[in-house]
Amino acid sequence: GAVVSQHPSRVICKSGTSVKIECRSLDFQATTMFWYRQFPKQSLMLMATSNEGSKATYEQGVEKDKFLINHASLTLSTLTVTSAHPEDSSFYICSARWGTSGGGLRTDTQYFGPGTRLTVL
Amino acid sequence: AQSVAQPEDQVNVAEGNPLTVKCTYSVSGNPYLFWYVQYPNRGLQFLLKYITGDNLVKGSYGFEAEFNKSQTSFHLKKPSALVSDSALYFCAVRDMQAGYSTLTFGKGTMLLVSP
Repeated sequence: GAVVSQHPSRVICKSGTSVKIECRSLDFQATTMFWYRQFPKQSLMLMATSNEGSKATYEQGVEKDKFLINHASLTLSTLTVTSAHPEDSSFYICSARWGTSGGGLRTDTQYFGPGTRLTVL
Repeated sequence: AQSVAQPEDQVNVAEGNPLTVKCTYSVSGNPYLFWYVQYPNRGLQFLLKYITGDNLVKGSYGFEAEFNKSQTSFHLKKPSALVSDSALYFCAVRDMQAGYSTLTFGKGTMLLVSP
């Protein structure tokens, strides 16, 4: 259990286009999902936290109009990078946390997706 | 505020030898502590965590970690390293007092196990 998937795993786009990344919890319902950004050989930087059915909470310095997050269901969150530019090139990782106990999953553990490598030309 | 320090950028160890990856933390309340491993171009895999109880926590792939409250440390250990253990390891903390607060990650330690 506790599998989180991301799609696509890799995307290359032209500057100015928008890119959508999907994050799904495959075998549990995630009341809270997180989006991180990771630069080469660096730690994860939390971009935003989203709760199902409500607006995402963005970390300081993250442009909410540029990085649109939608958490429409308990198993799906999407990150859309709008009008992407080369500086947006990065590794984006989503994470999901399960909000209730039972089924062998701990409510206080975050499970991570495999990541999406975005390259903006 | 909560923070995590991983003082070593890289740890080198020979296969079969014991390994230790260091982590110290700072929280205002009681800590939830986690170790994750990341292989190249992959997301993070959960290894183990400490919430409460026994200070020695056993996790996946033969890894364990020891919670030391007085030293505010949570070092990751394995008695006998494998070449396949080579990866990037992250320590993370969450403050229990803050309810469902977010995880704070260390900068990561690259573990290289030589044959």
